[in-house]
Amino acid sequence: EDQVTQSPEALRLQEGESSSLNCSYTVSGLRGLFWYRQDPGKGPEFLFTLYSAGEEKEKERLKATLTKKESFLHITAPKPEDSATYLCAVQYYNNDMRFGAGTRLTVKP
Amino acid sequence: DSGVTQTPKHLITATGQRVTLRCSPRSGDLSVYWYQQSLDQGLQFLIHYYNGEERAKGNILERFSAQQFPDLHSELNLSSLELGDSALYFCASSPTENTEAFFGQGTRLTVV
Repeated sequence: EDQVTQSPEALRLQEGESSSLNCSYTVSGLRGLFWYRQDPGKGPEFLFTLYSAGEEKEKERLKATLTKKESFLHITAPKPEDSATYLCAVQYYNNDMRFGAGTRLTVKP
Repeated sequence: DSGVTQTPKHLITATGQRVTLRCSPRSGDLSVYWYQQSLDQGLQFLIHYYNGEERAKGNILERFSAQQFPDLHSELNLSSLELGDSALYFCASSPTENTEAFFGQGTRLTVV
């Protein structure tokens, strides 16, 4: 069965300490990979879409990259307001859009 | 504000009852997705509609059904409710079938 796995489950960083979150997926007709940010009790907020291996997208302190088997969300010099759960979603050619369990990021001042 | 509207925001109902959750997609979006999010399950894909037609089905129980109407709004019907159905239910919309989807703020369903 197609799966989306995110790691780590939780990550605690000091303000300014850069790191990366991982999203790996089994390939069965990938149409697109999406990154979202979710705050507690709120709907996921769209960040990036990646369609093909080698593609990169950047926004403020966040940069998303894609290979054939995984995607990384790099966070550079994070701030406390970056604390949230980061979700990766994969859309397959059967039109499913499935989410990983997320990485809960905490950035301490 | 994503432009996706879900009503109601909160719903408390008893076991065995039936409820309807409503979603108005962003203007011009043809795709609607429904997800269930409970504490121990993450975001579970339920169903996807595109321009009124069902396009994909995920882990949706037989007690649940959905439809997308000609004006593109969608409804998720949950029947014979059980305690385990308590969760946040999200709707998301996108312009086409393989572009990013934008989420509403969800309906929090509590079954007592």
